Amino acid sequence: DGGITQSPKYLFRKEGQNVTLSCEQNLNHDAMYWYRQDPGQGLRLIYYSQIVNDFQKGDIAEGYSVSREKKESFPLTVTSAQKNPTAFYLCASSISGSGNTIYFGEGSWLTVV
Amino acid sequence: AQSVTQLGSHVSVSEGALVLLRCNYSSSVPPYLFWYVQYPNQGLQLLLKYTSAATLVKGINGFEAEFKKSETSFHLTKPSAHMSDAAEYFCAVSDRGGTSYGKLTFGQGTILTVHP
Repeated sequence: DGGITQSPKYLFRKEGQNVTLSCEQNLNHDAMYWYRQDPGQGLRLIYYSQIVNDFQKGDIAEGYSVSREKKESFPLTVTSAQKNPTAFYLCASSISGSGNTIYFGEGSWLTVV
Repeated sequence: AQSVTQLGSHVSVSEGALVLLRCNYSSSVPPYLFWYVQYPNQGLQLLLKYTSAATLVKGINGFEAEFKKSETSFHLTKPSAHMSDAAEYFCAVSDRGGTSYGKLTFGQGTILTVHP
């Protein structure tokens, strides 16, 4: 089935560790996005990419990094510089361009222990 | 810069009652507008979107929304609530063109509770 697959669903990170969240899509979409969701704050854009080997910072990029080496994949690394990483992370993709529907994965929970 | 304000972080209705979730937007250019629904621990699912065709947009599960430019609003309605409508709803805006085209700015969400 076509869709967006995020893994793992639940991840625990120790203080000072970097962790990587995986996002793969088989929808042949050009654009991919990472959003962070905190209760009562809606979704905030971390990074987005409209084409392979290119990506732009969103509103809250500090402490995060991404890569886009393949059209299908857009992994997000949460670095130790991110001071409050506990959140629900959502990957999404779309056909590039305004007005096109953005489709979401099922999300990944990251908890700092 | 564009923004979205959802009035009311929590809305509670009885089963069978009208559902009205409010959304106001701010955009320097004509916007595209979206409503998404999220069930617990899941991703977001598109309910409907406005892309400058008809101002009254019909979506899935009996929901609809009306774009009112004069009021900068895009409120979501459903004539009769079902228990299965209980979820969190997000309004989002995307501007047209420019270097950041396609990405969405979300409101803070409205949690809908449906009572028997």
